[in-house]
Amino acid sequence: AQKITQTQPGMFVQEKEAVTLDCTYDTSDPSYGLFWYKQPSSGEMIFLIYQGSYDQQNATEGRYSLNFQKARKSANLVISASQLGDSAMYFCAMRELGSSNTGKLIFGQGTTLQVKP
Amino acid sequence: DTGVSQNPRHKITKRGQNVTFRCDPISEHNRLYWYRQTLGQGPEFLTYFQNEAQLEKSRLLSDRFSAERPKGSFSTLEIQRTEQGDSAMYLCASRPPRGEQFFGPGTRLTVL
Repeated sequence: AQKITQTQPGMFVQEKEAVTLDCTYDTSDPSYGLFWYKQPSSGEMIFLIYQGSYDQQNATEGRYSLNFQKARKSANLVISASQLGDSAMYFCAMRELGSSNTGKLIFGQGTTLQVKP
Repeated sequence: DTGVSQNPRHKITKRGQNVTFRCDPISEHNRLYWYRQTLGQGPEFLTYFQNEAQLEKSRLLSDRFSAERPKGSFSTLEIQRTEQGDSAMYLCASRPPRGEQFFGPGTRLTVL
């Protein structure tokens, strides 16, 4: 069965520093996608970054990068140069990519990030 | 605004009442998803539509829950005989045939 595990309920980081949010996953499907979403207190889920299981390079989007270690089944999110507006809940999610799959996302429990001024 | 919209944003109801939520996806997105998120947890998949066809339902979707997507455009999620355990954020997301899911702002349900 698919599973996403985020072991850090809460994290603190000083403004302008980098922070890594951990995510491990479990799936038997060789073809899958990994996502990170940000959820501010307003509640909306904001897509941050995507990594495909066959992608050779780690994904990057601005200050966000995904440290993908396939053998370890980990997909950690790195946020560089943290800003106060980065304070939010962060979710790691997985989607299996087989043709019969619906594309639903399986989410982890989330990590609350607080950026200190 | 061309994003996913959900109405109402907040709903307070008494136990036993029926409630209905609406989701308007991004217009060119043929795929639509409903998720439920309880406090402090990640969203959990409820159901999936491709155009007007409901192709998957989670076992979380009890007999009291029903979802529709007539004409493949907006979708509704109805909960009958609400229970306190139904209190949660209900999130809708849509996506094109190839691409990522975009989420709406959610409907927060409180059952008293």
